[in-house]
Amino acid sequence: GAGVSQTPSNKVTEKGKYVELRCDPISGHTALYWYRQSLGQGPEFLIYFQGTGAADDSGLPNDRFFAVRPEGSVSTLKIQRTERGDSAVYLCASSREGQPGEQFFGPGTRLTVL
Amino acid sequence: GQSLEQPSEVTAVEGAIVQINCTYQTSGFYGLSWYQQHDGGAPTFLSYNALDGLEETGRFSSFLSRSDSYGYLLLQELQMKDSASYFCAVMDSNYQLIWGAGTKLIIKP
Repeated sequence: GAGVSQTPSNKVTEKGKYVELRCDPISGHTALYWYRQSLGQGPEFLIYFQGTGAADDSGLPNDRFFAVRPEGSVSTLKIQRTERGDSAVYLCASSREGQPGEQFFGPGTRLTVL
Repeated sequence: GQSLEQPSEVTAVEGAIVQINCTYQTSGFYGLSWYQQHDGGAPTFLSYNALDGLEETGRFSSFLSRSDSYGYLLLQELQMKDSASYFCAVMDSNYQLIWGAGTKLIIKP
């Protein structure tokens, strides 16, 4: 596609529920990143995929968070047993092979946990 | 630990020049990126410096000194649309981008 897309744009859920956030990267970009951003802060790294595999998942805060990229394109971030502290904007980015410093971001999903 | 320091807010006048500084301390270093983010929007890539020196792209320039662990973003001929937050981010040895907290640029007419 022309740019990185993310769905949904907004998600409101109740504490304890399960949510899935989807990211569709730029066609041909091999690397995909998930971040979350709270108001007034820089993006916080969560996980990075190179192709289908998670090259680095050290930023995932705990085992309630999980992400997959089964075919090396679309990725899904999954959050189990959501907590109010999970409320943030979840950003996805992709980059070309060998250019990790130049990342293209999607519009984000604003997650609100009530 | 890993840290990036940049001013929280900078104010400038339309048409002027402004410099946003960034100092960093990270485990490993491959390069320094700069991103722009308007309120409610997504970060947009501006520049990436892997080597020392100045890189110029239109009205924006970015500088890096690896020996000083320091870089800056220079914005010239400021326009009102440049009002945004600007983030420096270091690519560390794990190919992770470590982000600063951002500098809010306020431009006055």
